[in-house]
Amino acid sequence: QVQLVQSGAEVKKPGASVKVSCKASGYTFTSYYMHWVRQAPGQGLEWMGIINPSGGSTSYAQKFQGRVTMTRDTSTSTVYMELSSLRSEDTAVYYCAREWLGATTEAFDIWGQGTMVTVSS
Amino acid sequence: EIVLTQSPATLSLSPGERATLSCRASQSVSSYLAWYQQKPGQAPRLLIYDASNRATGIPARFSGSGSGTDFTLTISSLEPEDFAVYYCQQRSNWPAYTFGQGTKLEIK
Repeated sequence: QVQLVQSGAEVKKPGASVKVSCKASGYTFTSYYMHWVRQAPGQGLEWMGIINPSGGSTSYAQKFQGRVTMTRDTSTSTVYMELSSLRSEDTAVYYCAREWLGATTEAFDIWGQGTMVTVSS
Repeated sequence: EIVLTQSPATLSLSPGERATLSCRASQSVSSYLAWYQQKPGQAPRLLIYDASNRATGIPARFSGSGSGTDFTLTISSLEPEDFAVYYCQQRSNWPAYTFGQGTKLEIK
């Protein structure tokens, strides 16, 4: 079945970097864009950026420009999200989500299970 | 940046009642709107896309309407499993997306 499986929870110190993986299965990896969305504890959803698994092109939310890097490995059908210069406000659950094209617009039809990243000294 | 404002923040209803959730955009997003349901400890689940189309496997009691700046998610008769947080999402300036702040639907 179609699924996205993410890497496990991480604990990082302020100033460090974290790299979260998202492995896709059950569909053609290069046919669907992938997004990253985060959710701080008790808060709403925040879009971080998009990667095209086919060519590797990316686009990031302005808030994360310069701190986030999204990459992919087509040989393993995996996308990665690396966030650097971590601060306590980056403590959140990070989700990957597949973009699907509906009748006229796109939506996120498949989500990973989420990866908890805790930033603490 | 287009801002989505959801109301109410919290909605308290009983099973069997009708739920009406609102999402208002700061400028027109045409029909580029989706709704998601999120339960505690789970990833969001797509309910509605293109403002009014139900996603695969979503029960008929869920319906979406609206276009432009005003959108509504309606649950015709609440089931116990429907109590969750609901988010609207827009992508009128693809590839950037924004979410509303969410409406918590709780049992009265």
